[in-house]
Amino acid sequence: NAGVTQTPKFQVLKTGQSMTLQCAQDMNHNSMYWYRQDPGMGLRLIYYSASEGTTDKGEVPNGYNVSRLNKREFSLRLESAAPSQTSVYFCASRADRADTQYFGPGTRLTVL
Amino acid sequence: EDQVTQSPEALRLQEGESSSLNCSYTVSGLRGLFWYRQDPGKGPEFLFTLYSAGEEKEKERLKATLTKKESFLHITAPKPEDSATYLCAAENSGYALNFGKGTSLLVTP
Repeated sequence: NAGVTQTPKFQVLKTGQSMTLQCAQDMNHNSMYWYRQDPGMGLRLIYYSASEGTTDKGEVPNGYNVSRLNKREFSLRLESAAPSQTSVYFCASRADRADTQYFGPGTRLTVL
Repeated sequence: EDQVTQSPEALRLQEGESSSLNCSYTVSGLRGLFWYRQDPGKGPEFLFTLYSAGEEKEKERLKATLTKKESFLHITAPKPEDSATYLCAAENSGYALNFGKGTSLLVTP
């Protein structure tokens, strides 16, 4: 089991460019999540998906879109990147009625 | 508004010097209190979940406890490999995780 995988590991964008962060899990989990982590701010939820075909906004959804492509994959899209979106992005997944979320290794994104 | 506060922000210990990290929370309908460990450049790694006041869980040199307003992560006789950032998160009735900012622990030989 690879667990939760994320691509790319690092990315540098210019302001206004778009990109999609990919996340996949092989644990057959229904729920998947996208967080961002900034210094001094802790982890904040961007979007989550409780099951295939459903998505919901978290605490900081502005400037992002998500797609739950299938049960395994949950992508995060930045349509027009801004310097304020410079952050480390983590994907996580969780089984129904399970204790915890399992996190991926993160994508470090810099927007110039 | 749900809130999770961790203290101290940073802690430096000598190897073998026991201490505790604090997590205070205000969450509507607490479902669970989670502790994670995060190493630099990596994703959070699950340690414990606590569900009710009075509950305790242990793993090696770590013990987590829960009261109605706080959780503590006790580290007994720490080793340098325990150096990491420890994150606390409270899950509300809507299944949303609210994370604290973390405590950065450094254990020196």
